[in-house]
Amino acid sequence: QVQLQESGPGLVKPSQTLSLTCTVSGGSIDSGGYYWSWIRQHPGKGLEWIGYIYYSGSTYYNPSLKSRVTISVDTSKKQFSLRLRSVTAADTAVYYCARGAVVAATVPFDYWGQGTLVTVSS
Amino acid sequence: YELTQPPSVSVSPGQTARITCSGETLSVKYGHWYQQKPGQAPVLLIYKDSERPSGIPERFSGSSSGATLTLTISGVQAEDEADYYCQSADTTNTYELFGGGTKLTVL
Repeated sequence: QVQLQESGPGLVKPSQTLSLTCTVSGGSIDSGGYYWSWIRQHPGKGLEWIGYIYYSGSTYYNPSLKSRVTISVDTSKKQFSLRLRSVTAADTAVYYCARGAVVAATVPFDYWGQGTLVTVSS
Repeated sequence: YELTQPPSVSVSPGQTARITCSGETLSVKYGHWYQQKPGQAPVLLIYKDSERPSGIPERFSGSSSGATLTLTISGVQAEDEADYYCQSADTTNTYELFGGGTKLTVL
């Protein structure tokens, strides 16, 4: 059973960089067929896809966040990470990591972490 | 590209609930459905329009017609009260989209 676990600071100051790591267990992070993803949910709101990375390092980002986001992968540690620069209060959200399985040129997210609340505040 | 869902749907126990998701990209791309209960991560309910992952009850089904995706919950139970989200990708496969979510209330 694949499991994902987010980790990182729960509080970030405005203008700083939000950094989160997702650790994958129960499965391989460096086999093909999966995109390792970050998705967020503002309090009381819907889901917003941030971006994902293939094990080879190819990345895809939400156009609305692309200028501030970097997703990276460390296959030796079975981890992938999110960096979101120049955060504001609008970046306060629950951040989920998830596995996207490539199915017929589409990417449903079949395994999710429990989510971690990140608050942007001074 | 956008995916549009009704904000809320209400149904009595035992009845059938239908939640729609509409968007131009759905006419050429597959869609997926998630269930999210309060304080929990989303769970994949339906993928590739109508496929059900193992462990998902048969009362959950999906269909697609034109630019509209539909999630059908037959014989709704109290435990089905949750938020439901659709997801697809833009036609160039460069980014993923979620619908705004539908809150299902079981009366």
